[in-house]
Amino acid sequence: GENVEQHPSTLSVQEGDSAVIKCTYSDSASNYFPWYKQELGKRPQLIIDIRSNVGEKKDQRIAVTLNKTAKHFSLHITETQPEDSAVYFCAASKIGSGSEKLVFGKGMKLTVNP
Amino acid sequence: SAVISQKPSRDICQRGTSLTIQCQVDSQVTMMFWYRQQPGQSLTLIATANQGSEATYESGFVIDKFPISRPNLTFSTLTVSNMSPEDSSIYLCSVSGQTYEQYFGPGTRLTVT
Repeated sequence: GENVEQHPSTLSVQEGDSAVIKCTYSDSASNYFPWYKQELGKRPQLIIDIRSNVGEKKDQRIAVTLNKTAKHFSLHITETQPEDSAVYFCAASKIGSGSEKLVFGKGMKLTVNP
Repeated sequence: SAVISQKPSRDICQRGTSLTIQCQVDSQVTMMFWYRQQPGQSLTLIATANQGSEATYESGFVIDKFPISRPNLTFSTLTVSNMSPEDSSIYLCSVSGQTYEQYFGPGTRLTVT
């Protein structure tokens, strides 16, 4: 089955810096890659996603890139702010397969220091 | 996105008992899922709740321990049966529609003593 690896497990940056989180997946049939932000004590929140027919997607300060050949995808956060501090999870899925379950990475704790 | 609610939000239960968690969505959705998240850990899928048929369980999870119902397109329940302290965790439902994005409920924090 699918296996999603995520690194680093923790990252600490200064406010205004950029942060990059990287994930790799094992199943070349996976075609949907969402990213979730989870603040302490709250539910995971979908912040951006990318499908395998595109290589990059941006939404304001966040962007996601996908390299299907290498089977990895990354989340980029620019101009980080203290409110970006949270745990970020990547995931992979095979949409349209009849089993749209998400397989999650282990998460990365981002701390943005003011 | 859909509004998702879960009941109860938290509970403390004695070992050997069972707890049923409810997940309600304010609109019809295609898929409903149940996840477990242990403190400081990632999310692990327990099962996919299928409307009108038996749930599809992931490896390591069985129907006798985690029976699931989904009587319609807006509601599902997960029961944690014969609980032990190892079942202490946060249980989350998630839903997805025709665009495949998954959204999570607020979770149920379960403590088994």
